[in-house]
Amino acid sequence: DQQVKQNSPSLSVQEGRISILNCDYTNSMFDYFLWYKKYPAEGPTFLISISSIKDKNEDGRFTVFLNKSAKHLSLHIVPSQPGDSAVYFCAASRLYNQGGKLIFGQGTELSVKP
Amino acid sequence: EPEVTQTPSHQVTQMGQEVILRCVPISNHLYFYWYRQILGQKVEFLVSFYNNEISEKSEIFDDQFSVERPDGSNFTLKIRSTKLEDSAMYFCASRLTTAFSGANVLTFGAGSRLTVL
Repeated sequence: DQQVKQNSPSLSVQEGRISILNCDYTNSMFDYFLWYKKYPAEGPTFLISISSIKDKNEDGRFTVFLNKSAKHLSLHIVPSQPGDSAVYFCAASRLYNQGGKLIFGQGTELSVKP
Repeated sequence: EPEVTQTPSHQVTQMGQEVILRCVPISNHLYFYWYRQILGQKVEFLVSFYNNEISEKSEIFDDQFSVERPDGSNFTLKIRSTKLEDSAMYFCASRLTTAFSGANVLTFGAGSRLTVL
């Protein structure tokens, strides 16, 4: 049951360039989306989120774009830095579901080369 | 910065043995979760817990699994009779807000690696 998909298992970019990580979802009931970053031997760390009433949310070098009609979201990192190298997980939820569980994608491993 | 702490960081057990993984969520959080990640796979939801009861559980969370909040601080995951396929990293998470606050951000612990031999 792959409700959230990240089709690129890995991405390599040059330091200073833009990193674009993509995520697709199938459940139209999802209304809140998040990106988490994960280093080896650590838990996922919250990065940025977006509600379905918006199409863009920006926080410093990180911007998340949401295209509801395409059921697609993306994370842009500009400029990319070597410290951004990690696995990035997209997650989706139903905001008014009291359980509040997140459904995660498979993750994309980002490698930023100096 | 407040954090979710998990113990043990790594546990090795024999198949059929009982395992208890422990978590101390952030103190004023209201919602608690367990997730797991089998090596190389995605982070999967197991169970959510609110107001001293399970609010939702996945198909993975069968009768071999149970959760408990035995006191005001700890949140535990028990696996009664471990199987080889239970080998995974188990993450505890907690959340402060109600859904109606407009945010649904879970804070995760560093995880407990379970190896079943």
